Amino acid sequence: AQSVTQLDSHVSVSEGTPVLLRCNYSSSYSPSLFWYVQHPNKGLQLLLKYTSAATLVKGINGFEAEFKKSETSFHLTKPSAHMSDAAEYFCVVSDLGGSSNTGKLIFGQGTTLQVKP
Amino acid sequence: DGGITQSPKYLFRKEGQNVTLSCEQNLNHDAMYWYRQDPGQGLRLIYYSQIVNDFQKGDIAEGYSVSREKKESFPLTVTSAQKNPTAFYLCASMVATMNTEAFFGQGTRLTVV
Repeated sequence: AQSVTQLDSHVSVSEGTPVLLRCNYSSSYSPSLFWYVQHPNKGLQLLLKYTSAATLVKGINGFEAEFKKSETSFHLTKPSAHMSDAAEYFCVVSDLGGSSNTGKLIFGQGTTLQVKP
Repeated sequence: DGGITQSPKYLFRKEGQNVTLSCEQNLNHDAMYWYRQDPGQGLRLIYYSQIVNDFQKGDIAEGYSVSREKKESFPLTVTSAQKNPTAFYLCASMVATMNTEAFFGQGTRLTVV
């Protein structure tokens, strides 16, 4: 079975400082991994996705994530936080490519990013 | 513009009442999904459909029902059997092949009054 663990429920940074949101995954096959962002009372927006083409994935708004198979991690980073980055972030794994192959998404518990002025 | 439209944005339900949440997509996606979000938790899958006239239960299907009569539409009914329906409901669609992502609607917040 697949699973995702987000290691921090809440992260607080100052504007202009780096952001690190941590995610570990468990999968019996090569996973499809995603990071989504959710602003209050809104739907989810895709930040980036890992497709096995490259281990360092660049996304929107300056975010990037590195896939490390040996550590089963897919941490999200940004060099310099902006006030507009304050939101909920979800690390997600899909069952596509596995035996069930339904497109079902398995979500981490989410990390709330607070950006202080 | 292509996308997923959920309506209404806010919905209030009385005890014992059934309500239906709408989800429409014009992305020509075969697969559609309903997720429930509770505060401080990730999303949990309620129902999904990979093709018209077919759907399967997800992890928390009890107290919910769906239909998929058209490719574009996947309405969710929250029945009176759902004991704790207050939550944020999100609809998603995707092509459901390797390396593709899901697209989400803006959500419906359901509150029991």
